Amino acid sequence: SQQGEEDPQALSIQEGENATMNCSYKTSINNLQWYRQNSGRGLVHLILIRSNEREKHSGRLRVTLDTSKKSSSLLITASRAADTASYFCATDARDDKIIFGKGTRLHILP
Amino acid sequence: SAVISQKPSRDICQRGTSLTIQCQVDSQVTMMFWYRQQPGQSLTLIATANQGSEATYESGFVIDKFPISRPNLTFSTLTVSNMSPEDSSIYLCSVGTRKNIQYFGAGTRLSVL
Repeated sequence: SQQGEEDPQALSIQEGENATMNCSYKTSINNLQWYRQNSGRGLVHLILIRSNEREKHSGRLRVTLDTSKKSSSLLITASRAADTASYFCATDARDDKIIFGKGTRLHILP
Repeated sequence: SAVISQKPSRDICQRGTSLTIQCQVDSQVTMMFWYRQQPGQSLTLIATANQGSEATYESGFVIDKFPISRPNLTFSTLTVSNMSPEDSSIYLCSVGTRKNIQYFGAGTRLSVL
């Protein structure tokens, strides 16, 4: 079953602009992750944020977490063509599993 | 991190046949997972494959349809049995870490005619 739900489902922006994707989830979590999937490929882990953290940075990525609203956002600054991909949030579940959201398809226009 | 080799990368199969997908990891890992991803959709967990025990299947997935082997800490296979066009999907293996992060293979794109 899906825990996270990303918003928007699809996003097109000009190269150089910032891209923001949101994730909402339903039950309490220990951590939340973001993954990227390039077309036809496997997923790549981007960043993990713990439930006691509010913000985390990694290069051009900025993730926020609001546990009171059960939501997270992923900001990609100064987007590049190579950022074109699908982005999934994932929340931890029992037995070391993670549950993926539906994903946001990001398209960077030249 | 871990490097996962998954093969085949793609295949086109006839209805009623079976396909075995292999997943090889460059280090010993306890937890391996198999997912299905239908076109344009998210990932759905099929089963968890831990070495030395039977695979644990998620609701809606059964061993007769998706038998899994896990002979050692670096290798696993998933078989898609008696395939139908509804089995056309991307199948992904991943390995888990104590930090809850998963590392994925490149996936197997399966088309069933």
